Amino acid sequence: EVRLVESGGGLVQPGGSLRLSCAGSGFIFSDYEMTWVRQAPGKGLEWVSYINDDGFTIYYNDSVKARFTISRDNVKKSLYLQMTHLRVEDTAIYYCARGSMALDLWGQGTMVTVSS
Amino acid sequence: IVLTQSPATLSVPPGERATLSCRASQSISRDLAWYQQRPGQAPRLLIYEASIRAAGVPARFSGSGSGTDFTLIISSLQSEDVAVYYCQQSNNWWTFGQGTKVELK
Repeated sequence: EVRLVESGGGLVQPGGSLRLSCAGSGFIFSDYEMTWVRQAPGKGLEWVSYINDDGFTIYYNDSVKARFTISRDNVKKSLYLQMTHLRVEDTAIYYCARGSMALDLWGQGTMVTVSS
Repeated sequence: IVLTQSPATLSVPPGERATLSCRASQSISRDLAWYQQRPGQAPRLLIYEASIRAAGVPARFSGSGSGTDFTLIISSLQSEDVAVYYCQQSNNWWTFGQGTKVELK
């Protein structure tokens, strides 16, 4: 089955850190660009970060630049998002998605709550 | 680039046509996708490059437009189409519209 499964979400205090993971299966992970998208409670979708297939081209939304780091391990078929200096406004469901121009496969999401 | 979707909420009787709009603040050629997000679920790709249906998407969904004005049409609304629909541009970085909620009337 072709799927993406996120993990690593949870409750963290402001200023804290968290590392999200996204495991791909059922497709050749190394052939695809990958994207993180988040959705604050009751709100719309927000693009967070992009990484190309070999991991050498990376982009970030200004709202997370210098705080979040995207990476991937094509051997492990996994995508990561290292989040530091977390803020209350980073509270959201974080989705990993396959592709860039058209996100054709999404995970179920992992919830990140930043609160004291 | 800012994407503005209208209306915010659309109430349509079952079997009727639903027309959703997405307007870009500057030209994005045809670099636009549409997503469906049912309650409690992850988004799902419906349309890419403005008018190409993704695999497995029913033919009642169609997309059109180029430049700054885009439209998603659901030709005959079904109960399973109740969802929030988002447009997304990939011409200049990536942004999403704020969404249109489609409900049955």
